[in-house]
Amino acid sequence: AQSVTQPDIHITVSEGASLELRCNYSYGATPYLFWYVQSPGQGLQLLLKYFSGDTLVQGIKGFEAEFKRSQSSFNLRKPSVHWSDAAEYFCAVGAGGGATNKLIFGTGTLLAVQP
Amino acid sequence: DAGITQSPRHKVTETGTPVTLRCHQTENHRYMYWYRQDPGHGLRLIHYSYGVKDTDKGEVSDGYSVSRSKTEDFLLTLESATSSQTSVYFCAISEASGGFTDTQYFGPGTRLTVL
Repeated sequence: AQSVTQPDIHITVSEGASLELRCNYSYGATPYLFWYVQSPGQGLQLLLKYFSGDTLVQGIKGFEAEFKRSQSSFNLRKPSVHWSDAAEYFCAVGAGGGATNKLIFGTGTLLAVQP
Repeated sequence: DAGITQSPRHKVTETGTPVTLRCHQTENHRYMYWYRQDPGHGLRLIHYSYGVKDTDKGEVSDGYSVSRSKTEDFLLTLESATSSQTSVYFCAISEASGGFTDTQYFGPGTRLTVL
């Protein structure tokens, strides 16, 4: 069965420091991978997605993610975190096919940013 | 931002009462989804629709029903609300092609409390 694991429930970083959020997936075929961000009290906003091609994907707000098939990972990175990046981050894998598409979400990583 | 609204945005109800949540889109997307978000579980799919009157179950569909009589509206009904259905409910839509590479866009959410 498809699954997504985000091993870090909470992460705290200092403003200006680099960030890496981990995501591991389990999926039998070529995965379609997504990162979403959720600010407090808001819906989910797509940061970036990977379908095929270049394994380093650029997203909005200065985020990037790298797909590593050998490690079944799709980690999210940002070189310098801003206070406004404090939010919850969700990794998801697209599963299904045919007439449907479904997302399997990880449990999320809550990011706190210290001044 | 995708044109997705959810109503109501907040609701408090009592155990045993029926509740209907509405998702409305202005994007004319074929696919619509209902998720629930709970701490430690991320987002889990309740039901989805792949066209008018075409719906199917997700992973946590017990106690929920859905209806879609128009492209733009997708209703989620709790036939007899229970405290375990206290959650934040998100609607999502995806683009018309329906492949599992499609991106899902999320509404602002409805916070439901069942007393």
